[in-house]
Amino acid sequence: KQEVTQIPAALSVPEGENLVLNCSFTDSAIYNLQWFRQDPGKGLTSLLLIQSSQREQTSGRLNASLDKSSGRSTLYIAASQPGDSATYLCAVRPSESGGSNYKLTFGKGTLLTVNP
Amino acid sequence: NAGVMQNPRHLVRRRGQEARLRCSPMKGHSHVYWYRQLPEEGLKFMVYLQKENIIDESGMPKERFSAEFPKEGPSILRIQQVVRGDSAAYFCASSPLTDSNYGYTFGSGTRLTVV
Repeated sequence: KQEVTQIPAALSVPEGENLVLNCSFTDSAIYNLQWFRQDPGKGLTSLLLIQSSQREQTSGRLNASLDKSSGRSTLYIAASQPGDSATYLCAVRPSESGGSNYKLTFGKGTLLTVNP
Repeated sequence: NAGVMQNPRHLVRRRGQEARLRCSPMKGHSHVYWYRQLPEEGLKFMVYLQKENIIDESGMPKERFSAEFPKEGPSILRIQQVVRGDSAAYFCASSPLTDSNYGYTFGSGTRLTVV
């Protein structure tokens, strides 16, 4: 059974700092990994999607890496801003061989606070 | 493209009442997935539907919960005789295919509060 862990559970940083959020998963048979942002009381906004064959994806100040063999992904946020404050979720989609490959397994998220 | 639309955004029900949550997938998407987010928990898969078919309901509680995705109209998640433990955020996602490289697009969710 896939388990996804996100560390730390909460992080508070001053504005301008570069930061890394971590996501680990127990079963390396994945199809892809997706990072989401969730604002309080709001829905999920997809940030980056990394296919299992890829090592990283970049979008603006965000960079996500994937090391499938070690079961790890990181989300790097450069020059953080107060508007980046939100909960960041990672979700793993299993590979075809794992069956039920449409089911995402989510971590509990990292609550990020960027202080002005 | 209006994205995945869920309504209502907030729903308050008394214990024993019925809750009906609606989800309209993105245009061109024929696959719908429902997830539940309990307080302090990660999102958990509930059910996967295609038009007029339930493909996988393994994450649905065995009683009181049902889901449908009719030929016309939105997908409906129905919770009968709600209890306090049903209070959660319910999210719907859609995709055009299950075997593509496409990620999932989620709606804004329905926050159900049972009083």
